[in-house]
Amino acid sequence: DADVTQTPRNRITKTGKRIMLECSQTKGHDRMYWYRQDPGLGLQLIYYSFDVKDINKGEISDGYSVSRQAQAKFSLSLESAIPNQTALYFCATSDQDGYTFGSGTRLTVV
Amino acid sequence: GESVGLHLPTLSVQEGDNSIINCAYSNSASDYFIWYKQESGKGPQFIIDIRSNMDKRQGQRVTVLLNKTVKHLSLQIAATQPGDSAVYFCADPNHYNTDKLIFGTGTRLQVFP
Repeated sequence: DADVTQTPRNRITKTGKRIMLECSQTKGHDRMYWYRQDPGLGLQLIYYSFDVKDINKGEISDGYSVSRQAQAKFSLSLESAIPNQTALYFCATSDQDGYTFGSGTRLTVV
Repeated sequence: GESVGLHLPTLSVQEGDNSIINCAYSNSASDYFIWYKQESGKGPQFIIDIRSNMDKRQGQRVTVLLNKTVKHLSLQIAATQPGDSAVYFCADPNHYNTDKLIFGTGTRLQVFP
C-alpha cells in the first residue's frame, strides 16, 4: 500500500457542487499539505496542517476548506466547485527526513 | 522563485548527453533545498537535496550545485536517459522560515533519441 493515498484518483463534477478529496497516510507524520497543479504549471500550496489542531492557509486557499480528522487523515473540500478549479491535486506529508507525495487526484469541473 | 502563474520552460536533450536544469531562489536565508522529479500523472519524487554549508552534492548520475552568492541552484544529470523525461522542480522546504514547502517554477526535460 502507498504511504500517502488519495481518493478518488479521478473525478468529474458539475459547477456548484460540493466535493471532498480525501488523503490518508501511514507515515505517522504530523505535517500534511494540499497542493494544486494546473496544466503546465508548478505546484501551489492550498492548505497545510502541522498537527491535528493546527490548520493554515497557503497561497491559494480561496474557494477551498480542509479538515484534519486525525493525524492520518486530511481532507480538502470545494464548497461550490467552479471550472477554474479543474486541476491536479496532491496531498503530501512531511517530517524531518523529507516529504512524501500522493499520486494525485485529477478533478474536472464542468 | 515561486511558481505562481509561470509556465514551465522546456529543456530538450539528446539521449546520452548531460542535462543541466537551473533554479533561482529569492530568500538569501534559505539553507536547504530539494530537487524533485515529477513524471506525467504522478506526484513529485525526491531526487537529491543540498544544505547551504555545501556547494556541491553528488548522487547517482545527478549532481546539485549551489551558488549562494547569486542564489542559484543547478541539477546536472549525466548521460540523460529516456526515463529521465519529466518535470523537475527545486523546492525550499522552509520558505522564509514558514516550514512550508514552496516549489520553484520547474523545468520540463524532454529526452530524444
